[in-house]
Formats: sequence, C-alpha cells, structure tokens
Amino acid sequence: EAGVAQSPRYKIIEKRQSVAFWCNPISGHATLYWYQQILGQGPKLLIQFQNNGVVDDSQLPKDRFSAERLKGVDSTLKIQPAKLEDSAVYLCASSFTGPGSLTDTQYFGPGTRLTVL
Amino acid sequence: GNSVTQMEGPVTLSEEAFLTINCTYTATGYPSLFWYVQYPGEGLQLLLKATKADDKGSNKGFEATYRKETTSFHLEKGSVQVSDSAVYFCAYSSASKIIFGSGTRLSIRP
Repeated sequence: EAGVAQSPRYKIIEKRQSVAFWCNPISGHATLYWYQQILGQGPKLLIQFQNNGVVDDSQLPKDRFSAERLKGVDSTLKIQPAKLEDSAVYLCASSFTGPGSLTDTQYFGPGTRLTVL
Repeated sequence: GNSVTQMEGPVTLSEEAFLTINCTYTATGYPSLFWYVQYPGEGLQLLLKATKADDKGSNKGFEATYRKETTSFHLEKGSVQVSDSAVYFCAYSSASKIIFGSGTRLSIRP
C-alpha cells in the first residue's frame, strides 16, 4: 500500500514570496490533515478535511494560509505572503475516518521542510 | 486547556539500557492516547496506542499503559537498541483532533 505522498521535500524562499505544498493521501482515506511542525516542537494541526469539506481550520492563519481539497483526494496548502516565522516542516496526514473513531490511525507523509529567508 | 507534557530531551542511553519517557496529559473525558516515533529523515509513524483506562499498548518491544488516575501514558522499553534512536511524541485524541507533545529526542550509544 502506497503511503502519503508530499512534494516538494524541501523549499527555500524569501519572505513575502508565496509557496504551495502538495499532498496525496492514502487511497480511500476520507480525512486529510495539514500540520505545522516548528523545530523542537510537536506538530500543530492547521486544517482538517473530511472528503472535500473543512472540519477544523481554527488554527490556520487565514490571512496568509489557505488550503483546498477540491475533489476530496489530494490537497494543496498555500502560504502567501510567507514570513520568517513560517519556517517549519509541513506535514500531511490521512486517516480512513476521523480521530473521533477510537480505532482510527493517522498516517503521515515525509513532510516538506520550508525555509523562509 | 488541553495539553500534553512529556519529558524533555535529549535522552542519551547506552545500548541495552532500560528506557522510560514520561508523558502526562490534561484533557476532559476519555481520550485515546498515542506514542508516535519520527526516525531521522522520515515522517511520523504510530508506535502504539491505548483507547481506554488500564489498556496497555505495545509494539517493537515498547509498552505504555493508560493510567487514568495519574493521567499518564509513560513509554517504556526494557532493552534499547541503536536503531531506536529517534524523536518520540506523546499525543492524545479527543473528539475531533490529535494534540501532540513537544517530542523527546532519544539517542542510543553502541
């Protein structure tokens, strides 16, 4: 079974530029998550999709971050414009259902390491 | 508010030593509890989980017991190997999201 795919693996940009990350979840997984992991910290949920609908985006900085999952499969996360403090690893994860299911498991991709100069 | 507190790292041990990484949580209700592991250059992987009080999760020689009375889920392994070197994250799931601790880096010396 193929895992969660993400691209690019690394990205270096200057502040005020824009950047986009792509995620393809495991086939059949209805729920997709984007996390931000700042160095030395645990992952922080940015947004959760159930199929193509947003379930939780309470921690997404909506003035500069946006995400979509138009066909309920792959997803893109965009930052425009980027700030220095956005330097982090952006992780995508998917699960068959949502974490409300006690037996569900999130599967993580390898992440995209973003450096903002 | 809801949170996870885990042992600060880095933790450095010799091969075959006994490992404990402490984790406590603050949450309402009865969350599911997890340990995730992140090997160098890889994404997070679920190591083990427990879904109710007194459950013991286990995998690859690691164990953790869901202690409702002390709100803890400490990770243990009787004899660590060099290949266990990684960052370990304690987490809990409640209602609609997973909350992660800040991670504990473990290094094992040969």
